[in-house]
Amino acid sequence: QSVLTQPPSASGTPGQRVTMSCSGSSSNIGSYTVTWYQHLPGTAPKLLIFNNNQRPSGVPGRFSGSKSGTSASLAISGLQSDDEGEYYCTAWDDSLNGVMFGGGTKLTVL
Amino acid sequence: EVQMLESGGGLVQPGGSLRLSCAASGFTFSSFAMTWVRQAPGKGLEWVSAISESGAGIYYPNSIKGRFTISRDNSKNTLYLQMNGLRAEDTAVYYCARRFSSYWAFDFWGPGTLVTASS
Repeated sequence: QSVLTQPPSASGTPGQRVTMSCSGSSSNIGSYTVTWYQHLPGTAPKLLIFNNNQRPSGVPGRFSGSKSGTSASLAISGLQSDDEGEYYCTAWDDSLNGVMFGGGTKLTVL
Repeated sequence: EVQMLESGGGLVQPGGSLRLSCAASGFTFSSFAMTWVRQAPGKGLEWVSAISESGAGIYYPNSIKGRFTISRDNSKNTLYLQMNGLRAEDTAVYYCARRFSSYWAFDFWGPGTLVTASS
């Protein structure tokens, strides 16, 4: 069972803004930076956000991340049908002594 | 173009062993730390192991330590994962990925290789 808690599902209509949360503790998010990945069906995971709110080159500005205390969130604006898939937050965790993945949020574009 | 390609997956009986390989190209392999991440059927992503650029630094989660061994051959631009004592719960798609700078973030991933531990 993951110690980074994500809601199992989220949904929105094209053009809408959606947010998804990632809740942790002082041993992970509270002490380390948060990373977000997009995992679309049949493809390899894609890095979306690193260092809490930084986007790698090539990731559209529609994707944004934030962190406060022991929680983080990912926002997607201008939702597109291609955004449908699974989204994971991660952070180093002292108890695991490694990189902890959240359970993932499945995004559905209605 | 940065590319990684995993190989070595397949069907193995519980208790058996497999060695996964990840051939990298399109970047200076020896300048990047690397990692393995897996996804069991119907489950989320799970970090398995990481290794530093030189191979001197190796990381495992407490749940994996002792059964899996990560290594690399910088002369062959290849990452390895030796898996021993495989269990049914190790059945998963195994991805190799490149670590992004000093962050615990992984910027390029291979397509994955499926490991099935079943009798």
